[in-house]
Amino acid sequence: TQLLEQSPQFLSIQEGENLTVYCNSSSVFSSLQWYRQEPGEGPVLLVTVVTGGEVKKLKRLTFQFGDARKDSSLHITAAQPGDTGLYLCAGARGSTLGRLYFGRGTQLTVWP
Amino acid sequence: GAGVSQSPSNKVTEKGKDVELRCDPISGHTALYWYRQSLGQGLEFLIYFQGNSAPDKSGLPSDRFSAERTGGSVSTLTIQRTQQEDSAVYLCASSLVGGWTGELFFGEGSRLTVL
Repeated sequence: TQLLEQSPQFLSIQEGENLTVYCNSSSVFSSLQWYRQEPGEGPVLLVTVVTGGEVKKLKRLTFQFGDARKDSSLHITAAQPGDTGLYLCAGARGSTLGRLYFGRGTQLTVWP
Repeated sequence: GAGVSQSPSNKVTEKGKDVELRCDPISGHTALYWYRQSLGQGLEFLIYFQGNSAPDKSGLPSDRFSAERTGGSVSTLTIQRTQQEDSAVYLCASSLVGGWTGELFFGEGSRLTVL
């Protein structure tokens, strides 16, 4: 059973479109991270959110942590082919220091 | 190199053989993690080291899996009597300190194929 459910699993869009990826759980998390992974490489951290309701922006990427710290979203504005990759959310729980619970990921493809 | 180094990058083995996967973390990182990534399954936690001790090894799937870390640095993940369901990419990550908000730096992974 996945503690974090990501949706959609696959997303194929044209350059310039906007998109949102969701990460949901029935459990509360101490913090939530978003990673991006490209083929043949390990995931790379994009952002960490720790406060309920927190919003962080990274250029065209906007990350939000739900008020109850059970969910998060990643919104990309004006997607570019360079945004193509596997996006993973990962949550930490205070009761299990060190361990991150990962979602299954959203495979994003942006066509020129 | 400055990043997390894993070896081998690819390993093909026959069912029933033992394999060892190695991880060399970023120098100075006290926390080290092993995850397994299968197609469509996301990253599955295996074990976490803080220094040389493993406070959380609850993710190891069976007693065929074991891991050790020596000198607070290099870690080895050993899979005995491999099965086809062990086929996956094994990812190692390290972080400066263990904890909620530490950034995990991942290696490129070791792809294991069990025939």
